[in-house]
Parts: sequence; structure tokens; C-alpha cells
Amino acid sequence: TQLLEQSPQFLSIQEGENLTVYCNSSSVFSSLQWYRQEPGEGPVLLVTVVTGGEVKKLKRLTFQFGDARKDSSLHITAAQPGDTGLYLCAAPSGSSNTGKLIFGQGTTLQVKP
Amino acid sequence: ETGVTQSPTHLIKTRGQQVTLRCSSQSGHNTVSWYQQALGQGPQFIFQYYREEENGRGNFPPRFSGLQFPNYSSELNVNALELDDSALYLCASSLLGGETQYFGPGTRLLVL
Repeated sequence: TQLLEQSPQFLSIQEGENLTVYCNSSSVFSSLQWYRQEPGEGPVLLVTVVTGGEVKKLKRLTFQFGDARKDSSLHITAAQPGDTGLYLCAAPSGSSNTGKLIFGQGTTLQVKP
Repeated sequence: ETGVTQSPTHLIKTRGQQVTLRCSSQSGHNTVSWYQQALGQGPQFIFQYYREEENGRGNFPPRFSGLQFPNYSSELNVNALELDDSALYLCASSLLGGETQYFGPGTRLLVL
């Protein structure tokens, strides 16, 4: 069974602090995605990483895919209250044509002003 | 371009009842996937529909069924509701094999 484990589950920090969220698995994935979900809304895709060792930046967010394509991290620099939300990692399971994504359990981030 | 829409936004049912949730896919997308998200958890894949046929299913019992219509919109039906079915039900549309799925806002179902 393919599983994605996220840590930490909850994070409460002050505005301006840095943080890192981890997504780990014992399985190898062809790609990995990070989503952000706000209350009352569906997840919104932030980034897809495909190549082992790949690093992608989205403003203050830096995403890295592990060399072995089993893990990923999301680093936020100088967090802002607008970064508050549920961060989910996800990866395709089985045949990519089934569209089945498996998700981690999520990291709830609260950034206090 | 219209995004993914879902209806209703909230629903309260009692144990044993049946429920139908609806999803309109994003313009141009031919594939719809349904997910169940329990409180404090990540979404879990229920099934996907492509060309009006089920195209992959997660670990959910047969009382979870679906339909896709010629305009690519979709329904999720759940029979014999159980308390544990209380969750946010998300619909996502995409192109078959496409890298990106676009999620709707979800339907919050409460089973009493």
C-alpha cells in the first residue's frame, strides 16, 4: 500500500518565521504535488515536481523532490498570515490514467500576525 | 472559463438514507474524480469517471456509486448512509491522463 506521511501535522508560528513541511513515503513516485486548501474550499495545486532532486520556487515557497523520488519538502520563508491553511502533498497511484491521487494527511499551518 | 462547481454546499441526512451529490466539470475537461475528505485528514480517492464509465476505484464499498453524463458532469450516490460517511466530498475534473486535477469547493455531508 502506498502511503504519504506528512509532518508536522500542526504548526502555529509568528509572522516572519520560516518553516518546513515534510512528505515521506517508502514508495517511489513518478511525480509529487503540493496543494493548499483553505476552509470551505477545495485543494488548489501549488506545484508539481517530477525529477529526483528537483527544486521549484514559488515566491516565498520552495519545493524539493527527493533524489530517490520518495519524499518531498515545502519550505516557506518569512511566513505571512495569508499562508495560513492546510498543506497537502499528493502523488499518483498506479496507472496515471486512473487519475487516482493519494494524499498525505495534511499539515495545518497557522501564521499569527 | 467556468471552474468546477458542486451542489449542494451542505447537506444533513440521517443514517440509512440515500444522498446524491452533483458536480459540473471545468470547461473542456472530460474526466471527473471524486474524493472523500474526513475532518483533519487528506482526501481519499473514491472513483473516477471518463466517457461515462468508471475508470478506476478506490477502497470504497459498492454503496458508493456514480454517474457521468454526456456533458461530463457527474453525480456521486451513496446508499444506506452510515455515521462515518460524514465528510467533505470533493469533485475534481481533468483531462484523462492529465497532470493537474482541478477541485471544486466540495459538499459537506453530515450524517446523524
